[in-house]
Amino acid sequence: AQSVTQPDIHITVSEGASLELRCNYSYGATPYLFWYVQSPGQGLQLLLKYFSGDTLVQGIKGFEAEFKRSQSSFNLRKPSVHWSDAAEYFCAVEVASGTYKYIFGTGTRLKVLA
Amino acid sequence: NAGVTQTPKFRILKIGQSMTLQCAQDMNHNYMYWYRQDPGMGLKLIYYSVGAGITDKGEVPNGYNVSRSTTEDFPLRLELAAPSQTSVYFCASSWGSPGWLGYEQYFGPGTRLTVT
Repeated sequence: AQSVTQPDIHITVSEGASLELRCNYSYGATPYLFWYVQSPGQGLQLLLKYFSGDTLVQGIKGFEAEFKRSQSSFNLRKPSVHWSDAAEYFCAVEVASGTYKYIFGTGTRLKVLA
Repeated sequence: NAGVTQTPKFRILKIGQSMTLQCAQDMNHNYMYWYRQDPGMGLKLIYYSVGAGITDKGEVPNGYNVSRSTTEDFPLRLELAAPSQTSVYFCASSWGSPGWLGYEQYFGPGTRLTVT
């Protein structure tokens, strides 16, 4: 069955430090991959997405993600974290096989230390 | 544009009661979705619609019903509320399918529902 795994439930980094959030997926074909951010009390906002082509994709707010087929991963990165990046981050997969299915990971909560 | 709006923001229901969660979008999007988010979990798709008059089940449809009589509105109905339906509910919309056509989903602010 298709699944999305975010192995880190919580991550704490200092402001200005680099960040990498992990996402692994299980799907037979190349999926469509997404990263969303959810600020407290808010809905989700799309950071970036991957469909095909260049495996390094750029998103909003200085985020980027790299698709690695061999590792079934789509990790999110940011070179220098800002305090305003504190939020919950969700990786998601869209499965385009018959019935529409959009699968979210369980999320990684990011805390930023001043 | 207001984007995606949801009402109410909060609601407490007793077991067995019914209610409708309202969702509206003013972006003329064809696709609309309902998700639930349980603590420590990702979002799970309840129902979706690809246009007025067309709805289909998502991953967790049991206990819910939807209708889509207009492009703008996509209400979610809970007929006999159960404690297992305590959750935060998000409505979203997109012009087309995010994966197949590359369109972004826009999310509403959510409705926090407690069933006791």
